[in-house]
Amino acid sequence: NAGVTQTPKFQVLKTGQSMTLQCAQDMNHEYMSWYRQDPGMGLRLIHYSVGAGITDQGEVPNGYNVSRSTTEDFPLRLLSAAPSQTSVYFCASRLAGEEGRAEQYFGPGTRLTVT
Amino acid sequence: ELKVEQNPLFLSMQEGKNYTIYCNYSTTSDRLYWYRQDPGKSLESLFVLLSNGAVKQEGRLMASLDTKARLSTLHITAAVHDLSATYFCAVDFGGADGLTFGKGTHLIIQP
Repeated sequence: NAGVTQTPKFQVLKTGQSMTLQCAQDMNHEYMSWYRQDPGMGLRLIHYSVGAGITDQGEVPNGYNVSRSTTEDFPLRLLSAAPSQTSVYFCASRLAGEEGRAEQYFGPGTRLTVT
Repeated sequence: ELKVEQNPLFLSMQEGKNYTIYCNYSTTSDRLYWYRQDPGKSLESLFVLLSNGAVKQEGRLMASLDTKARLSTLHITAAVHDLSATYFCAVDFGGADGLTFGKGTHLIIQP
């Protein structure tokens, strides 16, 4: 198993550009989520999905879109990047239900800078 | 409001000393997680605490959960330099909407 993979590892964008952060998992996990990590803020939930075709907003969803067309992939889209979106982005996955809550798997992260 | 508070946020200590990191949370939960993060790296799962009174130990680290007090502790025994990292607690408040993280404790252990 590759676990949770994220691409790219690093990205620099100019204000107003768009891009997609990729996240994939090969563990057949129903639940996937995106977090952002800012200095001194811990991780904050952006969007999550409980299965293919189902997504919902987390704590800080503004400026981000997601879709879940397959169980394996959960891309995060920035439609018009802003400097406030400079952050490190982590994707996570787990099994659904009580068994799944016992362990979350985090990807390696994408470090995004918006100038 | 769902809140998780860690303290201290920054801790510098000497090797060989003991110390405790505290994690308080705002409302009922019996699922609490401790993670370690090294600079530039992802989160490494340390402990998963899933019931009141749960205690888990791994090497020099021990974590406990008191759901009545809404408090978890991460105790470090006889610290060594390799334990220098940032430690996060996170709480699952139920539902589908992920984990709520504390701000992290930046731990520096000096020789």
